[in-house]
Amino acid sequence: DTGVSQDPRHKITKRGQNVTFRCDPISEHNRLYWYRQTLGQGPEFLTYFQNEAQLEKSRLLSDRFSAERPKGSFSTLEIQRTEQGDSAMYLCASSFVSGIPGQYFGPGTRLTVT
Amino acid sequence: AQSVTQLDSHVSVSEGTPVLLRCNYSSSYSPSLFWYVQHPNKGLQLLLKYTSAATLVKGINGFEAEFKKSETSFHLTKPSAHMSDAAEYFCVVNPASNTGKLIFGQGTTLQVKP
Repeated sequence: DTGVSQDPRHKITKRGQNVTFRCDPISEHNRLYWYRQTLGQGPEFLTYFQNEAQLEKSRLLSDRFSAERPKGSFSTLEIQRTEQGDSAMYLCASSFVSGIPGQYFGPGTRLTVT
Repeated sequence: AQSVTQLDSHVSVSEGTPVLLRCNYSSSYSPSLFWYVQHPNKGLQLLLKYTSAATLVKGINGFEAEFKKSETSFHLTKPSAHMSDAAEYFCVVNPASNTGKLIFGQGTTLQVKP
């Protein structure tokens, strides 16, 4: 399967703990995106990379959130000092720079903060 | 600011009858517009994309959408619903040509009755 993969699929953590998620994009894609989706809502943009460079960050991405894509391949999203409001599905997507034909999404990582 | 509004949070149709999911957008320029589908416990799947080449866009699984600039609409249609079409549908806009981020609508739940 050559789609976007994410690991882990589920994560349960206690408030105050740090968590890290991984995304492996489609290998030919230069761009990688992170979104967050809460129950009953559409996904919200967090940040995106073109190769290693982080080109844009949403105001939703507080100082507790950090994302990296060190070699322009996989990416990690870390949340420090998790809060209950961080509970959500974290989605990763990838695309060509042209955006054609579109962004391809992974299955997501569901985070539950207790 | 760019945004999309999905006019119905829930649509219910009988199998074999037409589907209409409504979406209006706001944009200060000619945007790229998408429809994505999300089946329960599955990742987001791109249905179709409009990029100004043709106002009527055909997608996968028999879906199509028509871009109407005068009405700022991008409604999704299918002539005959199938049980497998039951899912959450998102209308999505790319807010600017120099960014990769997508802005999602709130979603429309499509129920298909036998």
